[in-house]
Order: sequence, then C-alpha cells, then structure tokens
Amino acid sequence: QVQLQESGPGLVKPSGTLSLTCAVSGGSINNSNWWSWVRQPPGKGLEWIGEIYHSGSTNYNPSLKSRVTMSVDKSKSQFSLKLSSVTAADTAVYYCARVGKGGLLGFVFLDYWGQGTLVTVSS
Amino acid sequence: DIQMTQSPSSLSASVGDRVTITCRASQSISRYLNWYQQKPGKAPKLLIYAASSLQSGVPSRFSGSGSGTDFTLTISSLQPEDFAAYFCQQSYSTPPTFGQGTSLEIK
Repeated sequence: QVQLQESGPGLVKPSGTLSLTCAVSGGSINNSNWWSWVRQPPGKGLEWIGEIYHSGSTNYNPSLKSRVTMSVDKSKSQFSLKLSSVTAADTAVYYCARVGKGGLLGFVFLDYWGQGTLVTVSS
Repeated sequence: DIQMTQSPSSLSASVGDRVTITCRASQSISRYLNWYQQKPGKAPKLLIYAASSLQSGVPSRFSGSGSGTDFTLTISSLQPEDFAAYFCQQSYSTPPTFGQGTSLEIK
C-alpha cells in the first residue's frame, strides 16, 4: 500500500518561499508513475499545481509556472515543492499525490494522496 | 484551461436515497473524467476513473457515466458514510482541472 506524507513549515511570510516535501513509502518512486502536488484553499476547491517524474521531468500549471519548482530525491524516496513570492492567496492545504494509470487509452488519475498540510501565508 | 462545472453545489438527501451529481466540461474530454470523495479534514479519495471505471475497493453503489462534455456520478442507495463533498476532475489536457465540488448533506 503506497503511503505519502507531506512535511514542511506551516507558516510562511509574504514574499517568502513555501517549501514542502512528500515522502513516499510502500512503493517505489522510481516506477512509471508521475507524482503530483494539489492545493485547496480553506473552504474552496482543488487546484493542480504540477507533477514530476523520477527522471526530473516536470509539468506545471501555467497559472503558477513562474513561481513553482519541483524536484525529486530518489535516494530518499521523496519529492519536493517550492513556491516563491507567496501571498495570502497561497494559503491552502497542500497535498501530494500519486498519478495512477488505467485502461488501454492511458487514463490518469490521483489514486494515492497524502493527508495534506496546511500552509498559512502571514506576517 | 478546461472549465469543469458541477451541479448542484449542494444537495440534501436521506439515507437510502438515490443521488445523482452532474459534471459538465467546457469542451469535449472524451471519457477522461474522474470523481473523488472528500470528507472534512481528509484528503480526496478516488471513486471513479475514465468516467465509469470503479476504483478498487469502492462500493458498487457508486457508478459513473457519460462522455464528451456531460457526466454523472450516481449513488444508488445513500449510506451514512457517503455524506461528503464530491469533485469531478478532467485528465484530458494539462492542466488537469476540478469542478467546484458538490456538498452532500443529510436531510
């Protein structure tokens, strides 16, 4: 059973950089899955931030692309998110998730999720 | 980006009821549509992928249908543990986008 666990500071100052790590256990980060970050502002909907492959290849949401950097550390079986120049609008619960695949047409979905971590942007 | 619109935004129902939630895409997404359930303070849980494929371990009272732009999630007989928020998500193009959610409440 794959398990994911987010970690990082729960409070970030405006204009600072949000940094989170997702530890993967119960499965290999080196397999054919992509690994994703999703966020959810309090009381609101879900926003896809981006995804990373174990090779380091990334795809980012164009709305956040200029501020997002993702990386992977295969030796530690973890991947990370950095979001720069944060404002109060970046206050959200941040989830990491595995991108699963199914069917012959390559359907993708988020099948394993971390518990989420609340990051508040405030001075 | 593809816009996903769910209806209704909230719904009150009773245990045993049959419930249907609708999701509409702003353009055709074939069958690249997933459904998630989210309980308060918890991460979303995958219910349905590829519009109608039931994720392993999900009760058979959940079903999905649709293709193109219009999709539905149906719960055939509501159980107490089904009261939660439900989100649709398209995986047809990047960035993947979610509906705004449907809150299913106890009547």
